Amino acid sequence: GDSVTQMEGPVTLSEEACLTINCTYTATGYPSLFWYVQYPGEGLQLLLKATKADDKGSNKGFEATYRKETTSFHLEKGSVQVSDSAVYFCAAETSGSRLTFGEGTQLTVNP
Amino acid sequence: DTAVSQTPKYLVTQMGNDKSIKCEQNLGHDTMYWYKQDSKKFLKIMFSYNNKELIINETVPNRFSPKSPDKAHLNLHINSLELGDSAVYFCASSQGTARGYTFGSGTRLTVV
Repeated sequence: GDSVTQMEGPVTLSEEACLTINCTYTATGYPSLFWYVQYPGEGLQLLLKATKADDKGSNKGFEATYRKETTSFHLEKGSVQVSDSAVYFCAAETSGSRLTFGEGTQLTVNP
Repeated sequence: DTAVSQTPKYLVTQMGNDKSIKCEQNLGHDTMYWYKQDSKKFLKIMFSYNNKELIINETVPNRFSPKSPDKAHLNLHINSLELGDSAVYFCASSQGTARGYTFGSGTRLTVV
């Protein structure tokens, strides 16, 4: 069945370090792909998305490229800040008119 | 203006009680959802309504009953609450899955 797999967390980085959170998906066709961010005590916010192969989504210094050949949508940022500490969720549009979410990756950035 | 609003934000109740969580969206979206987030942050879809019609009904105990009086509202009623129902419940809405969801801020339910 359809699924989304994220790299296991938690991830702890120092400020200004590079970030990569891996995400792969299993779905039919060309699903839209998303990254959501959840700050402590809040709901999920859409961070970026891509709707077709080779599209690059970007926002707030974060980027992710839709790779159909590897069914991946890895999240990257060149220099993380303390304020980026949150839980990050990868999601894919899957059959049945729904988004299927990955397990979430907790990111902690230390000053 | 809050796009998707849930009430209450926190709910503490005893086992066996019945409680409701309300959700309203002012985005004009046709589809609304309920998700459950467990203590490990895992998100699981429970229900979805499209313009007041139930379209997704996952394997959820019958004690959970959604109600959508109009397309801007989706409420969740839970009967005979159990300890395992403790979680954060998120409402979301969308205008087409390909565009993504807009989430509410969540309701933290604690059953004691």
